[in-house]
Amino acid sequence: EVQLVESGGGLVQPGGSLRLSCAASGFSFTNNWMHWVRQAPGKGLVWVSRVKSDGSSTDYADSVKGRFTISRDNAKNTLYLQMNSLRVDDTAVYYCASVTLWFGELGMDVWGKGTTVIVSS
Amino acid sequence: QSVLTQPPSASGTPGQRVTMSCSGSSSNIGSNYVYWYQQLPGTAPKLVIYRDNQRPSGVPDRFSGSKSGTSASLAISGLRSEDEADYYCAAWDDNLSALFGGGTKLTVL
Repeated sequence: EVQLVESGGGLVQPGGSLRLSCAASGFSFTNNWMHWVRQAPGKGLVWVSRVKSDGSSTDYADSVKGRFTISRDNAKNTLYLQMNSLRVDDTAVYYCASVTLWFGELGMDVWGKGTTVIVSS
Repeated sequence: QSVLTQPPSASGTPGQRVTMSCSGSSSNIGSNYVYWYQQLPGTAPKLVIYRDNQRPSGVPDRFSGSKSGTSASLAISGLRSEDEADYYCAAWDDNLSALFGGGTKLTVL
């Protein structure tokens, strides 16, 4: 079965850190670009970051640049998002998503169910 | 405020055809592909259109996408109750970031 499973979310104080993980199975993880997308409560989707299939290239939204780091371990079929200096407005459900090249640069055809991050004092 | 602009709501009755728009600029829609996602309540998004007008396997041909200049549209014909969802457009921006529109909430009356 093709799936992505996120973990690592939780409650953290402003200024704190969290590391999200996304375990992939059932498809060729090592060939696909991977993305993180977040959704604040009652709000729309917001793109966070992406990493190339071999981990050699990354991009970030301006709102997280310098605070978040995306990485991957292809031997473990796992994607990560290290989040530092967290702010209240980082509160959201964080989804990981996979892009099969056939669908183009933003064709996220596999999504996880999301993990919830709450930043609050 | 999203750089890709979508109307906040749209509606139609069963069997009707509805369209929803997505407006951008030359650095995103004008020079890159547009993608459309459907998000049913409480679930993860689902890709329904890729590369402007292509449908993934399993997406009904009632869904179609188009693009002209710096705007794009998603059309749903033969509207059904299960189409009630939030719809988001997305496009890569030449400033090295991806953009989502603010989303359109589709109501089937």
